[in-house]
Amino acid sequence: LAKTTQPISMDSYEGQEVNITCSHNNIATNDYITWYQQFPSQGPRFIIQGYKTKVTNEVASLFIPADRKSSTLSLPRVSLSDTAVYYCLLYNFNKFYFGSGTKLNVKP
Amino acid sequence: EAQVTQNPRYLITVTGKKLTVTCSQNMNHEYMSWYRQDPGLGLRQIYYSMNVEVTDKGDVPEGYKVSRKEKRNFPLILESPSPNQTSLYFCASSNEEGATQYFGPGTRLLVL
Repeated sequence: LAKTTQPISMDSYEGQEVNITCSHNNIATNDYITWYQQFPSQGPRFIIQGYKTKVTNEVASLFIPADRKSSTLSLPRVSLSDTAVYYCLLYNFNKFYFGSGTKLNVKP
Repeated sequence: EAQVTQNPRYLITVTGKKLTVTCSQNMNHEYMSWYRQDPGLGLRQIYYSMNVEVTDKGDVPEGYKVSRKEKRNFPLILESPSPNQTSLYFCASSNEEGATQYFGPGTRLLVL
């Protein structure tokens, strides 16, 4: 299963839009892209998933270029409560690779 | 309330003493999985199960066993724990392949 690469950490301020980019150069045709959020001492929580182009839900947007070698999670107008670790992962059937994640720190 | 439960939440044991971490889900999900989380390494999949009596290895299965005798339960077994299995363990379930996974609260294990 192809691996993903994300920035280790990012800082932002309340009210800003945050974009976290994930690289997955070796993504396979059958791989889907999904993002999870994790707060300290809790299990990860699903945010959004997609295969190509753009996907939007009530909390985030996911942009996937045509070559699918990267993806960008966009969080509109973050708040302090969005401080967490964000994981980009690929999944294929029942195998998931989480990677190390991006620690987002939202400042007041 | 739909949830995944794990027991125990915290466990301290000694090398070689067999232990079992239980996982149960009440959502009638077919797919269940175990992960371990270590600093700097993110979450790594240990084993997964597609349905009762159907299990397969994830990325780091060495030193672990699982069983799936009932749909709702998916215990993780460490036959002879070693200090390198000290970690935070998460169980997860979903209702179909690749679908949203629901994670349990985690079990923090320390092997001395």
